Amino acid sequence: GESVGLHLPTLSVQEGDNSIINCAYSNSASDYFIWYKQESGKGPQFIIDIRSNMDKRQGQRVTVLLNKTVKHLSLQIAATQPGDSAVYFCAERSGGTSYGKLTFGQGTILTVHP
Amino acid sequence: GAVVSQHPSRVICKSGTSVKIECRSLDFQATTMFWYRQFPKQSLMLMATSNEGSKATYEQGVEKDKFLINHASLTLSTLTVTSAHPEDSSFYICSAPGTSSVNEQFFGPGTRLTVL
Repeated sequence: GESVGLHLPTLSVQEGDNSIINCAYSNSASDYFIWYKQESGKGPQFIIDIRSNMDKRQGQRVTVLLNKTVKHLSLQIAATQPGDSAVYFCAERSGGTSYGKLTFGQGTILTVHP
Repeated sequence: GAVVSQHPSRVICKSGTSVKIECRSLDFQATTMFWYRQFPKQSLMLMATSNEGSKATYEQGVEKDKFLINHASLTLSTLTVTSAHPEDSSFYICSAPGTSSVNEQFFGPGTRLTVL
């Protein structure tokens, strides 16, 4: 079936560096793409989303880029901090209803070294 | 933001027993809740959509007779793992949609199930 996947399972960066986490998706019918952060033993936390008709969206210290031509999604974290260490999942939303089912990608483990 | 709680946070049970996990929306109503399962170092897999007042919708490959879902009220959904076996050991997470955004979903803290 359709799936969302990630290029890199782990990413290690130094505190203060910028981090880029990548995701490939296959369902071109998805209407939203969302990034979640999951700390160990906890549920996912929403970071940022992007609608399928956009190619860039910025939040606080984070930017999501969407390239529909190659079905690629990325999350950029500026000035990465140790508190950013977590697993990051991309997810795609489809369904067209007021809420949609989420299909999660494999996840990238981000480790930030002080 | 809105809060979703789960109880218990951890449970250890013997093989063959049944375990009930509760998911509550604490300060908002949720006519729909989602149940996910997450194995170690893996992604979240949607198991079923819980609907208040009607039957749950299960994803392909998920046994509805093994994973019983009851959406008893607008703030409570329960997942019962019946006749649990060691392969059912996993992290079970629920979520509920918010109302501010189409993508707003509040996730519970998860329940770690270990079946001996």
